[in-house]
Amino acid sequence: AQSVTQLDSHVSVSEGTPVLLRCNYSSSYSPSLFWYVQHPNKGLQLLLKYTSAATLVKGINGFEAEFKKSETSFHLTKPSAHMSDAAEYFCVVSDFNNNDMRFGAGTRLTVKP
Amino acid sequence: DGGITQSPKYLFRKEGQNVTLSCEQNLNHDAMYWYRQDPGQGLRLIYYSQIVNDFQKGDIAEGYSVSREKKESFPLTVTSAQKNPTAFYLCASSTGGRAYEQYFGPGTRLTVT
Repeated sequence: AQSVTQLDSHVSVSEGTPVLLRCNYSSSYSPSLFWYVQHPNKGLQLLLKYTSAATLVKGINGFEAEFKKSETSFHLTKPSAHMSDAAEYFCVVSDFNNNDMRFGAGTRLTVKP
Repeated sequence: DGGITQSPKYLFRKEGQNVTLSCEQNLNHDAMYWYRQDPGQGLRLIYYSQIVNDFQKGDIAEGYSVSREKKESFPLTVTSAQKNPTAFYLCASSTGGRAYEQYFGPGTRLTVT
């Protein structure tokens, strides 16, 4: 069975500085990986996804993530944080062989002015 | 506009009462899901349905029930047997099975006192 670990429950950055949200996964097969964002009291919105094509994936709002199989990681980055990026971010791993999807516990991103 | 609607956004009930949460989608997706979200615990799968008139238990199905009589609709009933029903409930859908990208509704916050 697959699993995903988000290494930080809370990350705080200043506006205009880089963002790094860390995610490690475990999967027996070639996984698909996703990052979702959730603003307070809202549903989840897909930021980006990896499905065995290019290892560097670009998403919406300037976010990108790199799939590193050797490190079993899929960290989310953004060069310059904006106040509107403050939200909860979820890393998700899915496995088509098991027809399963698992969510990380989430990382809350705070952006300071 | 295609999407998922959940109603109501906020719901208040007394302990011991059953309550039904609505989820409707016009994306023509085959699969639908119900998740429960509690602070710091990410999303946990309650039930899912891959086709009409069929559904499976997720990780935390006890105290919940669902039906899938129409492709567009997947209501969730929180019964009085659910010991701790206060939570944020999210509905989602996907084109295929659980491993596919999921699209989320805006959520319903249920408070039981």
